[in-house]
Amino acid sequence: QSVLTQPPSASGTPGQRVTISCSGSSSDIGTNTVNWYQQLPRTAPKLLIYSDDQRPSGVPDRFSGSKSGTSASLAISGLQSEDEADYYCATWDDSLNGVFGGGTKLTVL
Amino acid sequence: QITLKESGPTLVKPTQTLTLTCTFSGFSLSTTGVGVGWIRQPPGKALEWLGVIFWDDDKRYRPSLKSRLTITKDTSKNQVVLTMTNMDPADTATYFCAHGWYWGYYFNYWGQGTLVNVSS
Repeated sequence: QSVLTQPPSASGTPGQRVTISCSGSSSDIGTNTVNWYQQLPRTAPKLLIYSDDQRPSGVPDRFSGSKSGTSASLAISGLQSEDEADYYCATWDDSLNGVFGGGTKLTVL
Repeated sequence: QITLKESGPTLVKPTQTLTLTCTFSGFSLSTTGVGVGWIRQPPGKALEWLGVIFWDDDKRYRPSLKSRLTITKDTSKNQVVLTMTNMDPADTATYFCAHGWYWGYYFNYWGQGTLVNVSS
């Protein structure tokens, strides 16, 4: 099973720009697109970014995604207190098995 | 409006079989490209992809759990069923079902999740 590596934590002050990285391999991120999910405390995950850099309807443009090689990044600009949540990257491997990253807990200081 | 809801036991004993049902509305699992996936989250831990069933009945399972998992669909009832055999306390988690797309392999609608505790 593929493993996606994320930093366990990240932080920033209101108004700042924060990035969260997601590192994979040639058989997952290197081949397939990356999705990002936001999980607020005690709630179900919410799709934040799909297909590397696409925002679903209703997601603010403060959130953006990018990918290069076997790594992807989620950027949050104009950080707000309500952005405090867990963030997960996800993709799939050569066998169409899905894989999530270990999650990053974002703290707004 | 797409909604999904998981249902099933909240407590199972070790070695028992878990059966969870995902009942959904607002879409059809016979529509090309549509899938329903299962994801779980142990308390305080990360999301784990368990498996997915697609409109064409293609199924994919987490490799490490493949021998214990079965996902089936009943298109007429708008339901997807997850069966996990030989439950262990390590399987204690919140189990989510979610609507997804084959192309892009993302889940854009999620159920609220159901907490399953495995204990004797």
